[in-house]
Amino acid sequence: QVQMVESGGGVVQPGGSLRLSCEASGFTFSSYGMHWVRQAPGKGLEWVAFIRYDGSNKYHADFVKGRFTISRDNSKNTLYLQMNSLRAEDTAVYFCAKSGGGAALLQDYWGQGTLVTVSS
Amino acid sequence: QPVLTQSSSASASLGSSVKLTCTLSSGHSSYIIAWHQQQPGKAPRYLMKLEGSGSYNKGSGVPDRFSGSSSGADRYLTISNLQSEDEADYYCETWDSNTWVFGGGTKLTVL
Repeated sequence: QVQMVESGGGVVQPGGSLRLSCEASGFTFSSYGMHWVRQAPGKGLEWVAFIRYDGSNKYHADFVKGRFTISRDNSKNTLYLQMNSLRAEDTAVYFCAKSGGGAALLQDYWGQGTLVTVSS
Repeated sequence: QPVLTQSSSASASLGSSVKLTCTLSSGHSSYIIAWHQQQPGKAPRYLMKLEGSGSYNKGSGVPDRFSGSSSGADRYLTISNLQSEDEADYYCETWDSNTWVFGGGTKLTVL
């Protein structure tokens, strides 16, 4: 079955860095685009970044551009999110999600999430 | 960029039906959306992809009680024979120009 397991979350000081990982299984990872989506405590879902199946194109939400970078290693079936210059407002649960077919590449499977807390 | 508008809350009785609405902003009425369910304390779950024509494609294991429909800029999620486990937040989502957008979510309470 399709499964994604995120890791790498934790507590970090403002201005610090963190790298999240998402290990995928149960599908051909190298054939699908992947997303990062976050959810601040008590808030709704917020799209963060997307990477195409082969890593050829990457897209980031405006509020993370220049600070966060999505990447992938298809040989390891793993998705990454490098987060730099972290701010208190980046505190959230970060979910990785597999994209489905079709032009819109909407998410069709989600991981369980990893919590990032930015606090001094 | 499209904006998706959802009511913040809805409620319905156990065993009844409820219809949740997601409205696309002006100029985006033909867009495909997805519906996702998030039960309390859990990760989101993909329910279906819904086209402007009303055609929908459900995710793996999604019960038959869940269906979708469309009318103009409105996209609907109908849940029939409500169960206690349907109490959750429901989010719609769409895509445009390599940016993905979620609605604010509807909190469904099963009475």
